[in-house]
Amino acid sequence: DQQVKQNSPSLSVQEGRISILNCDYTNSMFDYFLWYKKYPAEGPTFLISISSIKDKNEDGRFTVFLNKSAKHLSLHIVPSQPGDSAVYFCAAGGNYGQNFVFGPGTRLSVLP
Amino acid sequence: ETGVTQTPRHLVMGMTNKKSLKCEQHLGHNAMYWYKQSAKKPLELMFVYNFKEQTENNSVPSRFSPECPNSSHLFLHLHTLQPEDSALYLCASSQGEGGTDTQYFGPGTRLTVL
Repeated sequence: DQQVKQNSPSLSVQEGRISILNCDYTNSMFDYFLWYKKYPAEGPTFLISISSIKDKNEDGRFTVFLNKSAKHLSLHIVPSQPGDSAVYFCAAGGNYGQNFVFGPGTRLSVLP
Repeated sequence: ETGVTQTPRHLVMGMTNKKSLKCEQHLGHNAMYWYKQSAKKPLELMFVYNFKEQTENNSVPSRFSPECPNSSHLFLHLHTLQPEDSALYLCASSQGEGGTDTQYFGPGTRLTVL
């Protein structure tokens, strides 16, 4: 049973619009969450994180929202750019810090 | 070189071969990790090393043997692999000084077992 789910395998968005990528988790012990972006033939690149003491974290065009009661987080990209086209992974971990559980990823395509 | 590097980037091996994957991090980190990513599956954590000591082994078969000679280098020795071991093997590193700990990944080694 997957502890971290990304139920949309793919998403297409027009350039300039908002991209919203969703992630759900089942383990209430998770309290630290990461988003990674992965281009083909490259390793995942860290994007943004959030701890459970916050419900929002922003870094430039990227904002992550956390709803602990719903065990749900989302990544918003505004405005979306063609270079954002990649696979996005969310990862969840507990306060021991290192044993992150990754979701299966969502492939984002930003159309010019 | 900066960040996390992995060699080779691609490897094809037979089931009776012995090969090794190498990872090097240039970030001054103290923790290093091996992950496996099979097609259409999430990343699976295999091993964690903190300050050269193995602290996590996620029920990985003994045909995978990690080695961490120092905090900057991590190896994964492979022997008598199976075709289902074909996957992308990713190395990562992090500060490793307790608390939650962002991991930085290398580009991966694409392994094909014939």
